[in-house]
Parts: sequence; C-alpha cells; structure tokens
Amino acid sequence: DAKTTQPPSMDCAEGRAANLPCNHSTISGNEYVYWYRQIHSQGPQYIIHGLKNNETNEMASLIITEDRKSSTLILPHATLRDTAVYYCIVRVKAAGNKLTFGGGTRVLVKP
Amino acid sequence: EAEVAQSPRYKITEKSQAVAFWCDPISGHATLYWYRQILGQGPELLVQFQDESVVDDSQLPKDRFSAERLKGVDSTLKIQPAELGDSAMYLCASSLGQAGEVEAFFGQGTRLTVV
Repeated sequence: DAKTTQPPSMDCAEGRAANLPCNHSTISGNEYVYWYRQIHSQGPQYIIHGLKNNETNEMASLIITEDRKSSTLILPHATLRDTAVYYCIVRVKAAGNKLTFGGGTRVLVKP
Repeated sequence: EAEVAQSPRYKITEKSQAVAFWCDPISGHATLYWYRQILGQGPELLVQFQDESVVDDSQLPKDRFSAERLKGVDSTLKIQPAELGDSAMYLCASSLGQAGEVEAFFGQGTRLTVV
C-alpha cells in the first residue's frame, strides 16, 4: 500500500469547516483513499473513502486531486465532538486487505 | 447498530503473568483483525483472520503472543508472559471480507497496563 503524509496536528474553530490534507504521491491506480478517525480512548471509526471522484456522506466530504497524489477531508461544520486523530490510508479495495495506519493528524476543535 | 464487542475494557497485570483478550466481531463478518496501539502512535496490525485461518501474522511476536479463532466467529488474543513493553491498547476489528464491502469496524479496545 502507498504511504501517506499528514500534518501532525491542526486546530480549527467550532462551526467552521475543517480541511484536512493528505499527500499520497505514490498511489497506484487501483488504490483507494480511506479516512478514519479516532476519538480519545475509542476505536477508529470509518469516515469515507474514494477512488478518484469526490465523495460526500453525512459525516464529511472527500476531495481527491485530478492526479490523485493528494486529497482533502472536509468536515463542513466542525463541532467539539470532532476533536480526534484523523488517519488517511491508501489501500487496494480488496476483500481482506488490511488497513495500515500512519501517525494521523490530531485535530483540536476550539470553541 | 451492530458493534464489535471486546472484553475486558481495561486490564492491569503484573509482568510475567498471562493475559487474554476476547473479541466478538459483527455477525457475518469473515475477516477479523487484532491491532496494537501504543500511546501516541497509530494502530499496528498484529494478526488477521479470514474465517478461522490466519492470513497475516507477520507482526505478531510469536514467542509470547498467540491468537485463535477456532470456529471462525469470536477470537482470543493471549500474551504469555506479559512484559512492561506490552502496555498498550489492543483493538479488534472486523469486516465482511467480500469484494466491495471492505470497510473495517473497530471495537472499543482493551487497554492493557503491565506493572
């Protein structure tokens, strides 16, 4: 699986959009971009994934650049409960394929 | 909503003792993962099962760690003997394991402290 690079930490204001970047310059054509988050003392939670088109669900939006070398997770209206570590993972979407976590981005939402 | 169940939630043990963790995946999920997460780091895969078979245990310290999933449903991870460096969060996750449905769902984890 391709390696990802994320900033170690970032702050954002409550009610504002939070934009979390991820670089994955060595991504292969069949690899998807996945995002998980981990709230303190809990297990990681799936957020969203995409291949090349932008994706949106009830939690977030995923914007993938045309060359697929980077992506941005957008939390449209950050709340205090969004404070967590966010992991960007690149992997082939195949049955039984494992998730390989990096260090993630520690996001602190401030009132 | 179906969840991955883990127990115990917290465990304190003395070094050189044996300790075991239990995981019950979401019903029907064929793939089960055990991860270890040291404080301040991302989770690291220890072992992966497909039904009752181990498909990846390359990062499992086999001299002291063992894992089983005898009937392809729930699973147990054991450490014997425990060492101080084993203090960590142990996470279990499961997924359907079928093409197109590979999102993994995690349990709340077991926080192990070895004293």
